[in-house]
Amino acid sequence: KNQVEQSPQSLIILEGKNCTLQCNYTVSPFSNLRWYKQDTGRGPVSLTIMTFSENTKSNGRYTATLDADTKQSSLHITASQLSDSASYICVVSAISGTYKYIFGTGTRLKVLA
Amino acid sequence: GAGVSQSPRYKVAKRGQDVALRCDPISGHVSLFWYQQALGQGPEFLTYFQNEAQLDKSGLPSDRFFAERPEGSVSTLKIQRTQQEDSAVYLCASSPNSRAGSYNEQFFGPGTRLTVL
Repeated sequence: KNQVEQSPQSLIILEGKNCTLQCNYTVSPFSNLRWYKQDTGRGPVSLTIMTFSENTKSNGRYTATLDADTKQSSLHITASQLSDSASYICVVSAISGTYKYIFGTGTRLKVLA
Repeated sequence: GAGVSQSPRYKVAKRGQDVALRCDPISGHVSLFWYQQALGQGPEFLTYFQNEAQLDKSGLPSDRFFAERPEGSVSTLKIQRTQQEDSAVYLCASSPNSRAGSYNEQFFGPGTRLTVL
């Protein structure tokens, strides 16, 4: 069964600190992996997208890594800000041309002043 | 507003009532998706439209759920005889290409939070 698992389930950090969120997937054959940020009461917004041939992608203070061999991805947030408080969802697409996203359950990040 | 919009943003229904949730996709987007997101969970696929054609409804949880997109733009998700387990956020997403998925981005609306009492 195609699955996407994320850890930790929730995380609290102080403003200015770095953090890393993890994603493991069993989706096969793999096409691409995205990280989304979902603010409370909002729809998810794409942060990064990586195909199997890419192992890192940055978007400002967000850096995603991908190891297609071990089927693991991480999202690193540098110098966290209060506005980073949100849920971060790992989303995997199967073979090219299919439309179905497989969502993880997300990591709820809280950044404290 | 160039994004995906949904209405209402919040809906409270008594068990047994019918509800209709609306999605206005980004103009010109061919593909439209509905997702159900339970509290603390990731979104789960419900159904997919390419223009006015509903190509996949495999995620609809029961025959009480019905979706349509008659003119290939606005879509409505209807839930008949609502039950408490239908309480969730219903997200709509649109994509500019017909072969959605792969590298094609899905743009999400803010969702409708449905509470069934």
